[in-house]
Amino acid sequence: EAQVTQNPRYLITVTGKKLTVTCSQNMNHEYMSWYRQDPGLGLRQIYYSMNVEVTDKGDVPEGYKVSRKEKRNFPLILESPSPNQTSLYFCASSHYYTSGSRYEQYFGPGTRLTVT
Amino acid sequence: GENVEQHPSTLSVQEGDSAVIKCTYSDSASNYFPWYKQELGKGPQLIIDIRSNVGEKKDQRIAVTLNKTAKHFSLHITETQPEDSAVYFCAAPGYSSASKIIFGSGTRLSIRP
Repeated sequence: EAQVTQNPRYLITVTGKKLTVTCSQNMNHEYMSWYRQDPGLGLRQIYYSMNVEVTDKGDVPEGYKVSRKEKRNFPLILESPSPNQTSLYFCASSHYYTSGSRYEQYFGPGTRLTVT
Repeated sequence: GENVEQHPSTLSVQEGDSAVIKCTYSDSASNYFPWYKQELGKGPQLIIDIRSNVGEKKDQRIAVTLNKTAKHFSLHITETQPEDSAVYFCAAPGYSSASKIIFGSGTRLSIRP
């Protein structure tokens, strides 16, 4: 089954304790992205990756890191989490957007993070 | 700056009536406009999309219209049903990079029985 998986689904942590949220896709997609969803703000892009070893900042990258060492995996790293990073996080993947191609992003189930 | 404005933020319609959600984008070079539906507890899922060389696209009860001159696109749901209750997001590519995706703030649609 084609899917994007995220782990963990729920996480409660304390300020400053490094954490990693994993994301994996089995569709051989080149493009992967991380979003955070907050009430009234919709989905905001944190980082995206167009292929292995190619990453770039989205709209809200501060406080986050990513890596893309393998095509299927795109972990999100919070080196020193703070309470304002409490949010619902989504990973998504798609084939690379090119003119003329469909650009359907497949989203994971989400990770609800609480930083106290 | 790059922006996609979405209205309304909440919408309640009687079952069987139509619902319309509108989005306005800022970058005139944008050429791909998807709509996503997010059900409770799930990630968003693409329901329909449109390219800038097309003015309207339909898929059963849903349709999307695009007005490039006014830089807005709309989602139309006809004969609404209870399962249409969800949060809907529009999106457009960012002009600084076509690989960036800018989402609207979302519309919570409720269908009244």
